[in-house]
Amino acid sequence: GIQVEQSPPDLILQEGANSTLRCNFSDSVNNLQWFHQNPWGQLINLFYIPSGTKQNGRLSATTVATERYSLLYISSSQTTDSGVYFCAVPGNTGGFKTIFGAGTRLFVKA
Amino acid sequence: DAMVIQNPRYQVTQFGKPVTLSCSQTLNHNVMYWYQQKSSQAPKLLFHYYDKDFNNEADTPDNFQSRRPNTSFCFLDIRSPGLGDAAMYLCATSRLIPGQGGGLYGYTFGSGTRLTVV
Repeated sequence: GIQVEQSPPDLILQEGANSTLRCNFSDSVNNLQWFHQNPWGQLINLFYIPSGTKQNGRLSATTVATERYSLLYISSSQTTDSGVYFCAVPGNTGGFKTIFGAGTRLFVKA
Repeated sequence: DAMVIQNPRYQVTQFGKPVTLSCSQTLNHNVMYWYQQKSSQAPKLLFHYYDKDFNNEADTPDNFQSRRPNTSFCFLDIRSPGLGDAAMYLCATSRLIPGQGGGLYGYTFGSGTRLTVV
């Protein structure tokens, strides 16, 4: 089945710094999602991004489907950005199984 | 606001005592999922419903069952909880759009139920 790898596994930033999180996937996908899980466990949908680039405030994401990767950019990081960032792809074409990467754990220091 | 609501937020149950977790949604999504998440791990899919069609993951223990009496509600039943079943249980919904490949569109998670087994 499809493999999803995220890097780095852990990241510590000083407040105000920028960062790039990466998601590689082993097979073609026709959609991809980024989630943020806050320290209380709530998973928030950040981007639905099968291809191209999207921006939402300080966050933006780019998926290059032909090269099987997606990037999540965080600019001017804030302490509230702390948590775990997951990317997820469909497990099979047209199916419902969702394959999550292992996540990038981010801690932003004040 | 349209949302996915899970109750209770925290649940303590005794070893072997059946427990039911609930999930409701106001998004009118046609797909509902149950995930188990243990500490420092990614969510693990247990099963999902596409409308009334139930799909069990191959590695989901028989101890876990689910019911979806209508579009809005879905329940997770753990028949005989063991200590290893202590985890966060997450309900999620999404909308399958024919031709768009997969059911990731509009993926929305509830706040989760943290289950403790004593």
